[in-house]
Amino acid sequence: DTAVSQTPKYLVTQMGNDKSIKCEQNLGHDTMYWYKQDSKKFLKIMFSYNNKELIINETVPNRFSPKSPDKAHLNLHINSLELGDSAVYFCASSLVTAEQFFGPGTRLTVL
Amino acid sequence: KQEVTQIPAALSVPEGENLVLNCSFTDSAIYNLQWFRQDPGKGLTSLLLIQSSQREQTSGRLNASLDKSSGRSTLYIAASQPGDSATYLCAVYPYSGAGSYQLTFGKGTKLSVIP
Repeated sequence: DTAVSQTPKYLVTQMGNDKSIKCEQNLGHDTMYWYKQDSKKFLKIMFSYNNKELIINETVPNRFSPKSPDKAHLNLHINSLELGDSAVYFCASSLVTAEQFFGPGTRLTVL
Repeated sequence: KQEVTQIPAALSVPEGENLVLNCSFTDSAIYNLQWFRQDPGKGLTSLLLIQSSQREQTSGRLNASLDKSSGRSTLYIAASQPGDSATYLCAVYPYSGAGSYQLTFGKGTKLSVIP
């Protein structure tokens, strides 16, 4: 009965590779988000996606791209991975501006 | 640009004590404020959501208050237990417009409750 799920839980890859992280929510929410938690544990918004409207945080490199096949999914694609991309990535969902529910996180390590 | 500050960064208390965690934000034009708990290596668990028209919310031993005019929120934990040990995060929702759905987080308060 997981509300917001992410796969994989851990991802270890080499610099320069392209990878994807999947996110699914079964809460019937209409807005989904991706957040990044850096090595200092600071959480920062990357994207929000609502009714096909994508809002991008201006600090996110264009190597990162979210893709939403339907309302229940928002996947994160990362091209040409760099060392600095190592972090924990969290997916979340909500109804518009209501309470956000977070997934368990994906720990990405770039070697 | 909205900034969220949480004080103290870390707190250690004996079991049974009541405690207060503080959160302040620079732009009072917020929509909602949400408190989360994060256990080591885990995701975020939503504790309380205070909507802009509300001044406080309660859930069990937790009580959160919001004073938008002064840019402050507090999370009160009554009769603390070792199981309350975690990092507590405060997050605010910017008010309307582009980016209106995106949380801005503080850096958290790491709480340790000693048996």
